[in-house]
Amino acid sequence: LAKTTQPISMDSYEGQEVNITCSHNNIATNDYITWYQQFPSQGPRFIIQGYKTKVTNEVASLFIPADRKSSTLSLPRVSLSDTAVYYCLAVNDYKLSFGAGTTVTVRA
Amino acid sequence: EAGVVQSPRYKIIEKKQPVAFWCNPISGHNTLYWYRQNLGQGPELLIRYENEEAVDDSQLPKDRFSAERLKGVDSTLKIQPAELGDSAVYLCASSSSGQGVRTEAFFGQGTRLTVV
Repeated sequence: LAKTTQPISMDSYEGQEVNITCSHNNIATNDYITWYQQFPSQGPRFIIQGYKTKVTNEVASLFIPADRKSSTLSLPRVSLSDTAVYYCLAVNDYKLSFGAGTTVTVRA
Repeated sequence: EAGVVQSPRYKIIEKKQPVAFWCNPISGHNTLYWYRQNLGQGPELLIRYENEEAVDDSQLPKDRFSAERLKGVDSTLKIQPAELGDSAVYLCASSSSGQGVRTEAFFGQGTRLTVV
């Protein structure tokens, strides 16, 4: 499984855009970049997944450059309720390996 | 549609006692995962099932942990005897194998175990 590296924490304010970069230098050809979100006292929740270029859904955007050695999760106009831990995973088949994630704190 | 259901939500036991956690996955999901999450860390995989077969249990401490998924539906994770270091949140997740590599796993709310 490809190892992913992401910042431990990030602070932001309501209404700002939050960008979390994940490094995955040894990503495999079959790996998909997948992001999960976890609120306190809840299990992780799937946010978005992509292989390369850009993917956008109602929650976030995911940017993956051509070399696929890194990716950026973008959360537009965050609110207090976006305070959570965000995990970047390189998913191949059904293996889901979580690191420590990035704790995003949104302040008023 | 009901999500992944876990019980109990909380459990406090004394060390050396046995404990069991139960998980009911989303209907039709072939793949079932058990994870353990320590405070401030990401979830750590304990075991993964494909239907009733345990296909990845390399991280399961087999001296005290056991799991079963009879009939390929709900699952039970057991610890016997529990140690202080087993205090953690135990998460169950499920996914549909029909998705191939684009796996979206759905997690339950977890069982918070405290061993005293």
